[in-house]
Amino acid sequence: SQTIHQWPATLVQPVGSPLSLECTVEGTSNPNLYWYRQAAGRGLQLLFYSVGIGQISSEVPQNLSASRPQDRQFILSSKKLLLSDSGFYLCAWRGVSSNEQFFGPGTRLTVL
Amino acid sequence: DQQVKQNSPSLSVQEGRISILNCDYTNSMFDYFLWYKKYPAEGPTFLISISSIKDKNEDGRFTVFLNKSAKHLSLHIVPSQPGDSAVYFCAASNLLDFTGTASKLTFGTGTRLQVTL
Repeated sequence: SQTIHQWPATLVQPVGSPLSLECTVEGTSNPNLYWYRQAAGRGLQLLFYSVGIGQISSEVPQNLSASRPQDRQFILSSKKLLLSDSGFYLCAWRGVSSNEQFFGPGTRLTVL
Repeated sequence: DQQVKQNSPSLSVQEGRISILNCDYTNSMFDYFLWYKKYPAEGPTFLISISSIKDKNEDGRFTVFLNKSAKHLSLHIVPSQPGDSAVYFCAASNLLDFTGTASKLTFGTGTRLQVTL
């Protein structure tokens, strides 16, 4: 069965500090991978998606970047965090044979 | 521009009764719709989906209805249980896009369902 991991689960960072959130998927090959953010009182906003190693598409201009160094690894980064980067970050995957996206447990990021 | 709208931020229903969560969309290219359930501090879990070739899809206590002419879908939960208390997100996609390489979903803002005893 497929599983998706995210870490850390929670993170408190000062403004201006760097960020690295990691997502890994097990039990599937060549998944589509996605990063979403849920800000307080808002829905899920798609930030990045990837259809393969090294292939990243950005949905919204922002202070963040994403990378996919391996087939089942997706990383969300920032060089300098802003207060507005606070939120709940979710990684998701979709396999080639399914129509649904499956989400990881999320990372709660608080920027102070 | 919010292409998928859930106009009710919250809903309270008594246990055993029907819960009806609504979702409206504006993009006529959307032809595949999904509902997700989310507990606090957890990732959303997939509940049920429907493609535009159907107007109803049922899975146990959950039924999704699609009215394409009104660009409206709804999720019915019968009977409602306390464990159903969560935030429910509606999501939409274009199936061609969804089964293609991008597979992007557009989410609504969610409705918080509270099932009371």
